[in-house]
Amino acid sequence: EADIYQTPRYLVIGTGKKITLECSQTMGHDKMYWYQQDPGMELHLIHYSYGVNSTEKGDLSSESTVSRIRTEHFPLTLESARPSHTSQYLCASSPGSNYGYTFGSGTRLTVV
Amino acid sequence: AQSVTQLDSQVPVFEEAPVELRCNYSSSVSVYLFWYVQYPNQGLQLLLKYLSGSTLVKGINGFEAEFNKSQTSFHLRKPSVHISDTAEYFCAVSERGYQKVTFGIGTKLQVIP
Repeated sequence: EADIYQTPRYLVIGTGKKITLECSQTMGHDKMYWYQQDPGMELHLIHYSYGVNSTEKGDLSSESTVSRIRTEHFPLTLESARPSHTSQYLCASSPGSNYGYTFGSGTRLTVV
Repeated sequence: AQSVTQLDSQVPVFEEAPVELRCNYSSSVSVYLFWYVQYPNQGLQLLLKYLSGSTLVKGINGFEAEFNKSQTSFHLRKPSVHISDTAEYFCAVSERGYQKVTFGIGTKLQVIP
């Protein structure tokens, strides 16, 4: 079944650690996105990609980085995690703006 | 720039009663409109979308939404809710030809037995 997968689902790490949140999709979508979700607030776009070797920063300033070496894979990396990075991170993909997004189940990150 | 306002942060409703979740948007150009549902500890799932044509759009799980251009609204409705509809619902807008989507802050629907 075509889908979008995020790992890990939950992660608790110490301050200063480097982490990578994984996102993979099997639908062949060109467009992929990373959103940050906090309770009571709108989803904030932090990174997006419209294809291989194409990445852009989103509306919300973020200390993370992304890469898009393969169509199906869009990992997000934090070089040095801080408590302010504690949040839920959602990955999404889409074939085009009129299709809507398919979301992964999210990674809930806690930095202690 | 586009924006989305969800007027209610929480909506409690008794089981089998009707419900309406309100959404207004702002944009200077034509838009696509979406409703997503998020169950606890899951990602968002597309409920329905309006692209063009008929202003009444039907989606999954018995939900429907009506696009009103003059009022710039896209309210979500269900004639009879079930306990399993308890979730958070997000309205979203995308300007035509523009790939990014703007989401509202969400409305928590609590269905009371």
